[in-house]
Amino acid sequence: EVQLVQSGAEVKKPGESLKISCKGSGYSFTSYWIGWVRQMPGKGLEWMGIIYPGDSDTRYSPSFQGQVTISADKSISTAYLQWSSLKASDTAMYYCARRGGSSWFLDYWGQGTLVTVSS
Amino acid sequence: QSALTQPASVSGSPGQSITISCTGTSSDVGGYNYVSWYQQHPGKAPKLMIYEVSNRPSGVPDRFSGSKSGNTASLTISGLQAEDEADYYCSSYTSSSTFVVFGGGTKLTVL
Repeated sequence: EVQLVQSGAEVKKPGESLKISCKGSGYSFTSYWIGWVRQMPGKGLEWMGIIYPGDSDTRYSPSFQGQVTISADKSISTAYLQWSSLKASDTAMYYCARRGGSSWFLDYWGQGTLVTVSS
Repeated sequence: QSALTQPASVSGSPGQSITISCTGTSSDVGGYNYVSWYQQHPGKAPKLMIYEVSNRPSGVPDRFSGSKSGNTASLTISGLQAEDEADYYCSSYTSSSTFVVFGGGTKLTVL
């Protein structure tokens, strides 16, 4: 069974750093792209970027380029999303999701990680 | 403003059919058969309902169907059921550097 399990909720202060994770299982982790999607409170889905764990090829949405870093450790089948200096506007639910092969859809999703940034 | 345009809300009674539209451009919806639809219940992760315009993943009821004409894709739900009440998002591949764009989402209310 394909599963993406994300790390737990985080509460941080502005300016702090953070790295959240997404662990894949039940499939060949290095053969499928993993994307990250933001959902701000009460709002819609926003595409952040995507990584191919096989070679760490990473593409960012222009809206998020330079704001976050996407990485992966294929030895432990885990993808990451990190911030070096959080802002209150980073408060959101973050989902990782697997890209469906060579097509462009997201077939399996993590449960989401809620990040709250507040002073 | 989202790259793809969806109606904010639609509603229907149990047993009826509804259609949700998703309008983009020739750089996304109109240019590729990579339109997908996601269902999201409150407090839950999105779930893939339709991929590549009209394909249903295993386990998705055949009451859900997708189509496309020009720059507009559509999701149709026939025989509405109470459990279909959720938010629905369309998505498409785009030739821009973003690769993927989402619609703003449509809240479906089953009356």
